[in-house]
Amino acid sequence: GAGVSQSPSNKVTEKGKDVELRCDPISGHTALYWYRQSLGQGLEFLIYFQGNSAPDKSGLPSDRFSAERTGGSVSTLTIQRTQQEDSAVYLCASSPAPSGRMETQYFGPGTRLLVL
Amino acid sequence: AQSVAQPEDQVNVAEGNPLTVKCTYSVSGNPYLFWYVQYPNRGLQFLLKYITGDNLVKGSYGFEAEFNKSQTSFHLKKPSALVSDSALYFCAVRDGNSGYSTLTFGKGTMLLVSP
Repeated sequence: GAGVSQSPSNKVTEKGKDVELRCDPISGHTALYWYRQSLGQGLEFLIYFQGNSAPDKSGLPSDRFSAERTGGSVSTLTIQRTQQEDSAVYLCASSPAPSGRMETQYFGPGTRLLVL
Repeated sequence: AQSVAQPEDQVNVAEGNPLTVKCTYSVSGNPYLFWYVQYPNRGLQFLLKYITGDNLVKGSYGFEAEFNKSQTSFHLKKPSALVSDSALYFCAVRDGNSGYSTLTFGKGTMLLVSP
């Protein structure tokens, strides 16, 4: 079956512009996560969606970052007024309906964002 | 709070030799532990996880990991390394007893297997 897909795979933008990154989770997965991977760093948690519950936004680094998930499926991560320090790989992951906290997260290939 | 440490930025091993990639963790409750691998320009691929049961967990591509509660470690191992195992490896932990729902990842360890 299809895995997690993300688009675009690469995005180059100018400082100050807004960008939208898209994630299509695995069909039927109710949980969706966004992470940021900067060069030489580990994965930084950004935001978590679970079903119809309010998202966990505790990892968003500033109010320039926001995300939504429409219809419990596709998610869009938006970065407004991009800065050079936003350059990173943005990874999306999904996991099946939760049976506790043991569910494996399945990752997409990521979107590589470069802010000039 | 939950945290994970991968003390080695890079591990070098010759093909055919055993490999170990180290991971230690800290959680207040029971740990759920994961290993992921990332090949260049790719997303993370799940290798294995420990939830409960046997301390030795077997996963994909011949990898295994040993959960050691007293040492709070979950080291990744493989008896005989392949050049194709060269990649970035991430350990992750989730506290099974807390309301926090996400994984905390280590900074990653680059594994280089030489021919």
